Amino acid sequence: DTAVSQTPKYLVTQMGNDKSIKCEQNLGHDTMYWYKQDSKKFLKIMFSYNNKELIINETVPNRFSPKSPDKAHLNLHINSLELGDSAVYFCASSPSVTGPIGYTFGSGTRLTVV
Amino acid sequence: GNSVTQMEGPVTLSEEAFLTINCTYTATGYPSLFWYVQYPGEGLQLLLKATKADDKGSNKGFEATYRKETTSFHLEKGSVQVSDSAVYFCALSDGAAGNKLTFGGGTRVLVKP
Repeated sequence: DTAVSQTPKYLVTQMGNDKSIKCEQNLGHDTMYWYKQDSKKFLKIMFSYNNKELIINETVPNRFSPKSPDKAHLNLHINSLELGDSAVYFCASSPSVTGPIGYTFGSGTRLTVV
Repeated sequence: GNSVTQMEGPVTLSEEAFLTINCTYTATGYPSLFWYVQYPGEGLQLLLKATKADDKGSNKGFEATYRKETTSFHLEKGSVQVSDSAVYFCALSDGAAGNKLTFGGGTRVLVKP
């Protein structure tokens, strides 16, 4: 049973389209995250939610809108997709929002904008 | 702000060789330090962690010691296997609200039979 699951695994779309990526965790964790991994494997946080409340918004363009309907889900909606949005997007979760706690990552969504 | 610097790869080794991946950091306060591993086509997995100075994290034959005096957290394994081929990420968390992890750029390791 997958702990942090993301869908879809691959997403190819044209510039200007709107798309969503879904993430669900069955670990009972309070905190969820979105990270972006670029083509050079560099990972950068985008958002952090704790119990459905936005905690971190790391200067991400407002074309990106996260939504957390409950603490087990954190979806990412992207409007007006641009070529530079092509990357692998990882969802992750942790038991709480503080403390030296590692994350559990999903397997990623590879987004390609053409 | 916080930052993590790792040696650039790729690192190519023969099976049973000794592996070291250097990691240094800059952070305020006393961060917790992590190593994550990413196998091809997969998400990141927590490999080991250390939460205070002189702590040693270990898992699956990998070790790393939190060295505050040199702000380092180097990853080592005494005898690598082909299955250790992956990208390794050093990361830190300074405990601020949000539990944000700051990652290094990753080091690709290729182990040849």
